Amino acid sequence: QITLKESGPTLVKPTETLTLTCTFSGFSLSTFALGVGWIRQPPGKALEWLGVIFWNDDKHYDPSLKSRLTFTKDTSKNQVVLTLTNLDPVDTATYYCARRLISGGYHRLDYWGQGTLVTVSS
Amino acid sequence: DIQLTQSPSFLSASVGDRVTITCRASQGISSYLAWYQQIPGKAPKLLIYAASTLQSGVPSRFSGSGSGTEFTLTISSLQPEDFATYYCQQLIAYPWTFGQGTKVEIK
Repeated sequence: QITLKESGPTLVKPTETLTLTCTFSGFSLSTFALGVGWIRQPPGKALEWLGVIFWNDDKHYDPSLKSRLTFTKDTSKNQVVLTLTNLDPVDTATYYCARRLISGGYHRLDYWGQGTLVTVSS
Repeated sequence: DIQLTQSPSFLSASVGDRVTITCRASQGISSYLAWYQQIPGKAPKLLIYAASTLQSGVPSRFSGSGSGTEFTLTISSLQPEDFATYYCQQLIAYPWTFGQGTKVEIK
């Protein structure tokens, strides 16, 4: 059974740094071709792709956030960590992690965490 | 970035209706498109990938088609549990952008 779960603070102040952890089970990020993606959703708005980290530690970030966003993985703990610096109220959103699978050359996000709402406010 | 435009943004339909949602890409993306369903308060759920491949466990009333720049998601007979927001996503080029969503509500 594959599960993912996001954890971290629910309220952070502007200019602070957000650290979220995605803890997963049922797969290993040391497995060839697997990845974990991050997606966020501001309240009442559409999904926004933040980026992805792969089994080989390759990473891709949304260009608009690239200077503030970092992904790291701890394969032994089955965790991926998202760090977002210099927070602004517009970063208020539900943050999701999801497993990225590829087959036949086609990517998809096939299992998602439940999401965690992060509010940026003083 | 590749832009995805979904139409309509909102539709009202009845149980049993056939529903079609369109996703247009700003440039050709071959078949590198996925569709997700999001019920309010829940995480998105993968329905279709590679434009037309049904994800395991997804009911066969859902189908996807298209290639290049125009794609459709069809629900052949709308069920009560299908009232949700649907998103397309392109996965051919970074950033893997999403459409703005189509909300399907009960008429």
